[in-house]
Amino acid sequence: GAVVSQHPSRVICKSGTSVKIECRSLDFQATTMFWYRQFPKQSLMLMATSNEGSKATYEQGVEKDKFLINHASLTLSTLTVTSAHPEDSSFYICSARMGYYSPYGYTFGSGTRLTVV
Amino acid sequence: EDKVVQSPLSLVVHEGDTVTLNCSYEVTNFRSLLWYKQEKKAPTFLFMLTSSGIEKKSGRLSSILDKKELFSILNITATQTGDSAIYLCAVEIPGSARQLTFGSGTQLTVLP
Repeated sequence: GAVVSQHPSRVICKSGTSVKIECRSLDFQATTMFWYRQFPKQSLMLMATSNEGSKATYEQGVEKDKFLINHASLTLSTLTVTSAHPEDSSFYICSARMGYYSPYGYTFGSGTRLTVV
Repeated sequence: EDKVVQSPLSLVVHEGDTVTLNCSYEVTNFRSLLWYKQEKKAPTFLFMLTSSGIEKKSGRLSSILDKKELFSILNITATQTGDSAIYLCAVEIPGSARQLTFGSGTQLTVLP
């Protein structure tokens, strides 16, 4: 089946630095990719919708300048957490839909656990 | 505002028990309801439901949707310790982006 490859799986960075997370769709083209954030024991919160070749759509309360999303090709979307702070520590997951009529719904990347120290 | 509510929030059972997880929704538009299982990392797909009253089965898991009453249930029979996970329900909203709205999840723990 279709796979979304996400990396890194885990990153620890110092406060004030930036971190880039990549998601690649393998064997299919993802015109739209979704970025989620998940706190411990909580559900997935949609941060933004990333569209190939255009600006991302951010959910209310998500800072565009802090969470930079780039979707430069049909198989790659990136999320950059800029000037990271400890409160940005979280689990970030990307997702893409496997074709408009796919019965399998959305495929998720394996997630990135970000720890800001 | 679109809302997906799951219950219970957590559940502890013993191996062999049967569990029923609930998901209700209030959304302006509806295309499908999806169930996912999340262990340590990313959610894995279980079911996608679009039509009322048609049960979907996969081994010991089954799910059904009631579009009139706006809810779905996920059943797991003869539970095993490997079923321990967070079960997430999500509703797909139609539109150009077709994004998912997730419920809070049910944390299932199956004890030996």
